[in-house]
Amino acid sequence: TQLLEQSPQFLSIQEGENLTVYCNSSSVFSSLQWYRQEPGEGPVLLVTVVTGGEVKKLKRLTFQFGDARKDSSLHITAAQPGDTGLYLCAGADTGNQFYFGTGTSLTVIP
Amino acid sequence: KAGVTQTPRYLIKTRGQQVTLSCSPISGHRSVSWYQQTPGQGLQFLFEYFSETQRNKGNFPGRFSGRQFSNSRSEMNVSTLELGDSALYLCASRPLGGGPDTQYFGPGTRLTVL
Repeated sequence: TQLLEQSPQFLSIQEGENLTVYCNSSSVFSSLQWYRQEPGEGPVLLVTVVTGGEVKKLKRLTFQFGDARKDSSLHITAAQPGDTGLYLCAGADTGNQFYFGTGTSLTVIP
Repeated sequence: KAGVTQTPRYLIKTRGQQVTLSCSPISGHRSVSWYQQTPGQGLQFLFEYFSETQRNKGNFPGRFSGRQFSNSRSEMNVSTLELGDSALYLCASRPLGGGPDTQYFGPGTRLTVL
């Protein structure tokens, strides 16, 4: 059962543009993580959000956890080619089980 | 701290063979999880081990098995390999307890079944 849906699935933008990736679920999570993965490598943790409504910033990346802790968004400002990769969200339930989103493949064109 | 390490990084096997993959978690992390990643199915959870005991299990056939040693290192075994087992196998560790639970991934083992 896929608990987390990400949108869009694919995104191709020009360098300098802004973008938002969404991670939605009907389930409540105790925490949510965002990862970036490059081809042939393991996902690298970007952020963990815990509190409903929480906003975290990592340079040009802004992460938000929904008030009800069912959804999250990742906003990238002034995208750069180095942002290219597969973005994955993952939610942890109260039983410490993780559920991964379907992934968003981002390509930033120089 | 050193990150999660996985060996080997690449592996080529033929149908019917078996394979063992190894994972060393971050020092102090006692939980190790295994995932299979394919282009069509995304990241699929295989199982999780904690203190040498399987804690959670995904929806995979019995050909997929694992174990964890007293030093938290883990191995995953796939018997009677099928073409569809070709995938990137990822290991992730986490400390369990002491704050929000977060997994840290290794670089993966790319398994190709011919």
